[in-house]
Amino acid sequence: GEEVAQTPKHLVRGEGQKAKLYCAPIKGHSYVFWYQQVLKNEFKFLISFQNENVFDETGMPKERFSAKCLPNSPCSLEIQATKLEDSAVYFCASSQSLDNSPLHFGNGTRLTVT
Amino acid sequence: GENVEQHPSTLSVQEGDSAVIKCTYSDSASNYFPWYKQELGKRPQLIIDIRSNVGEKKDQRIAVTLNKTAKHFSLHITETQPEDSAVYFCAASDSGGYQKVTFGTGTKLQVIP
Repeated sequence: GEEVAQTPKHLVRGEGQKAKLYCAPIKGHSYVFWYQQVLKNEFKFLISFQNENVFDETGMPKERFSAKCLPNSPCSLEIQATKLEDSAVYFCASSQSLDNSPLHFGNGTRLTVT
Repeated sequence: GENVEQHPSTLSVQEGDSAVIKCTYSDSASNYFPWYKQELGKRPQLIIDIRSNVGEKKDQRIAVTLNKTAKHFSLHITETQPEDSAVYFCAASDSGGYQKVTFGTGTKLQVIP
């Protein structure tokens, strides 16, 4: 598609439950990025993929966060045992190449952990 | 790693006035500087970008300047309109084989009619 598609728009989970977010990048874009935006607006980089391969995962809290980009499937970001501080908007973005192509963002998934 | 600082955090201007947002970066290897506009509850959208081989770029009412020596870059919006009200983010990216975009902390711009 021509837009990055993220689902669901909203997700509510009780503390300790699992949350799974999905992202379909723009067709033809090889790079996928996940960012976490908390209330203070700051974007925290989580992880990036080149096709199905993890490119940079330096931002991932590895003990509870995992992500995948499998062929012919939307990319996913999964949070095991959610905590209150995981409440945020999670943005997925894709880009065409590494040659400083702009990031195209999806509309985000608002995760609320209660 | 890269650190991007952005000022001011909030900015109010009268409609028709100019607005300037400034950013500094720490990594001299950064060579790509996009600016994103995020309206309330929406996704960030690229409004302008500049590469390190250029000192200034303009697109209608929006311009960006880059000073590589001082490691700072600025967004200039002229003749502001109420629809310019949003949060603006600067960012810096170093290629060096892969792209990692580091964002500034955002500037909330309010244009008063």
